[in-house]
Amino acid sequence: NAGVTQTPKFQVLKTGQSMTLQCAQDMNHNSMYWYRQDPGMGLRLIYYSASEGTTDKGEVPNGYNVSRLNKREFSLRLESAAPSQTSVYFCASSEALGPRLEELFFGEGSRLTVL
Amino acid sequence: QKEVEQNSGPLSVPEGAIASLNCTYSDRGSQSFFWYRQYSGKSPELIMFIYSNGDKEDGRFTAQLNKASQYVSLLIRDSQPSDSATYLCAVLDTGRRALTFGSGTRLQVQP
Repeated sequence: NAGVTQTPKFQVLKTGQSMTLQCAQDMNHNSMYWYRQDPGMGLRLIYYSASEGTTDKGEVPNGYNVSRLNKREFSLRLESAAPSQTSVYFCASSEALGPRLEELFFGEGSRLTVL
Repeated sequence: QKEVEQNSGPLSVPEGAIASLNCTYSDRGSQSFFWYRQYSGKSPELIMFIYSNGDKEDGRFTAQLNKASQYVSLLIRDSQPSDSATYLCAVLDTGRRALTFGSGTRLQVQP
């Protein structure tokens, strides 16, 4: 059982280039999330998808777009990368039933460097 | 802006001691609280969650919640060097139905 799988694990971009981070979960979870983690900043929510067909902005959405392709897959796109987007990106999923959020399951992270 | 505050540390304790990690949050309406552990270079993993005021124990870990003071803590008894990691406090943002994380406290357990 793979859980949450992110690709690529490492990527180096030049300023202005575009790329897509892929995320897939095999736990049949309804909700999926993209976070970024910078040193000393903790995890900050970029976008999330509470269910298939819906996406919403998080705390730091500027410069990113997302697509919930189906229940399993949630991709994050950087249209024109900037050095400020150098970070570790984590995809996560959860069952999110009822009024309480269940455990978040995280992928291994994608380390992105923008030169 | 809903905030979750943690002391960044490092918090250094000797092996076998009790480590106490603290967290405060700004959203008085928050109902669900989580502690995640993150080893260097790895992804976060859930240690405990707590929904009600008081203490919740799981093995060597105890989570404490005081909603009136907007305060959550994690106690680790009989600390081991393998507990050395960054501990992230997280609070459910009910508006977004997503977790808001603190910046984490780095714990070092000295052998």
